[in-house]
Amino acid sequence: SQLAEENLWALSVHEGESVTVNCSYKTSITALQWYRQKSGEGPAQLILIRSNEREKRNGRLRATLDTSSQSSSLSITATRCEDTAVYFCATDRGNMGYKLTFGTGTSLLVDP
Amino acid sequence: EAAVTQSPRSKVAVTGGKVTLSCHQTNNHDYMYWYRQDTGHGLRLIHYSYVADSTEKGDIPDGYKASRPSQENFSLILELASLSQTAVYFCASGTGGVNQDTQYFGPGTRLLVL
Repeated sequence: SQLAEENLWALSVHEGESVTVNCSYKTSITALQWYRQKSGEGPAQLILIRSNEREKRNGRLRATLDTSSQSSSLSITATRCEDTAVYFCATDRGNMGYKLTFGTGTSLLVDP
Repeated sequence: EAAVTQSPRSKVAVTGGKVTLSCHQTNNHDYMYWYRQDTGHGLRLIHYSYVADSTEKGDIPDGYKASRPSQENFSLILELASLSQTAVYFCASGTGGVNQDTQYFGPGTRLLVL
């Protein structure tokens, strides 16, 4: 079974709308990361949120972490066409912070 | 700006042939990683390394070898390529350690085994 997984395979929104991608995980973690992968590119980190943090922001992005329910969300406000990508959450494995487990990803399409 | 480069960017190989994928990083990071990506499976860790001349098995190491001749370079070797190894391969680097850190990914190598 997946140690980390996003809850939806695909989402579609219109430009300017807000969208939230959710992720659940199964093990204790030191942190959770959100990555974005555009077509033809490697993943790029968006936000790293540590287990003692509940929320973290990066521009139009906001990540939350709930360690009690082992879940996280990534919200994007005022979406743009260039936000079209696959969004992954990634968790570590307790004291092996250098080894990440990636979810299968949520594909987001932002229509003009 | 972190920089991880991969070569080749795409390759067609024959079943049973040897394939070497190369990765180079200029981040001065100790840790380097090889992942494969298949549709519906996200990224899966094949091998990683935290120091030159040493490699460690990841989650799916069977059929793959790795080589870390220097801090900057990390190779993935398929001694006998098989159809099931058709995938996109990503290299990444990071500072490693107990506390989770950012991993910086290369652009990927698309491998087709025929």
